[in-house]
Amino acid sequence: SQTIHQWPATLVQPVGSPLSLECTVEGTSNPNLYWYRQAAGRGLQLLFYSVGIGQISSEVPQNLSASRPQDRQFILSSKKLLLSDSGFYLCACKVTSGRYEQYFGPGTRLTVT
Amino acid sequence: QKEVEQNSGPLSVPEGAIASLNCTYSDRVSQSFFWYRQYSGKSPELIMSIYSNGDKEDGRFTAQLNKASQYVSLLIRDSQPSDSATYLCAVNNFGNEKLTFGTGTRLTIIP
Repeated sequence: SQTIHQWPATLVQPVGSPLSLECTVEGTSNPNLYWYRQAAGRGLQLLFYSVGIGQISSEVPQNLSASRPQDRQFILSSKKLLLSDSGFYLCACKVTSGRYEQYFGPGTRLTVT
Repeated sequence: QKEVEQNSGPLSVPEGAIASLNCTYSDRVSQSFFWYRQYSGKSPELIMSIYSNGDKEDGRFTAQLNKASQYVSLLIRDSQPSDSATYLCAVNNFGNEKLTFGTGTRLTIIP
């Protein structure tokens, strides 16, 4: 079965600083990969998803971007963080064609100060 | 209208009782349905998936799907304090690689 790694686990960054969050997946190949954000007390907001290397779909216009440089690597970035970017960032993967279960990584808790 | 709706709770259930969590969805073409459990400060964990009308049982958990009425529910039998968490309902539409999540129901099991 697949294992999803995310780092860092926690991050405190000042407003206006850059951001890079990384997600890697083990135990599967050619997964769909997803970035979600969960603000405090809120639901899951899909930010980006990718069905293959270099293929990124953006769900919400904002100051974040995503890249998939390798099959099992998904990166979330920002050039300048906003206070509203604070939240719990979750990477998820879907591994089976024809089925739609998604499995989540442990998440990165980001606080923008 | 929200695509996936859940009562936010909190829902309080005595230990040993049956907890019943409900979810309604708006898109009739929805095909796949999922329940996730999320402990405070942790990431969501998939606990049940259901694709066909009827009941699906897995240990103390039973998922129930009624596509005609557009609802899916999760029953937890013999509730334990460790079941206290937020439960997220998620729905997939045929051919769509995304899931749509509800905002979750917070469940508290009272010892």
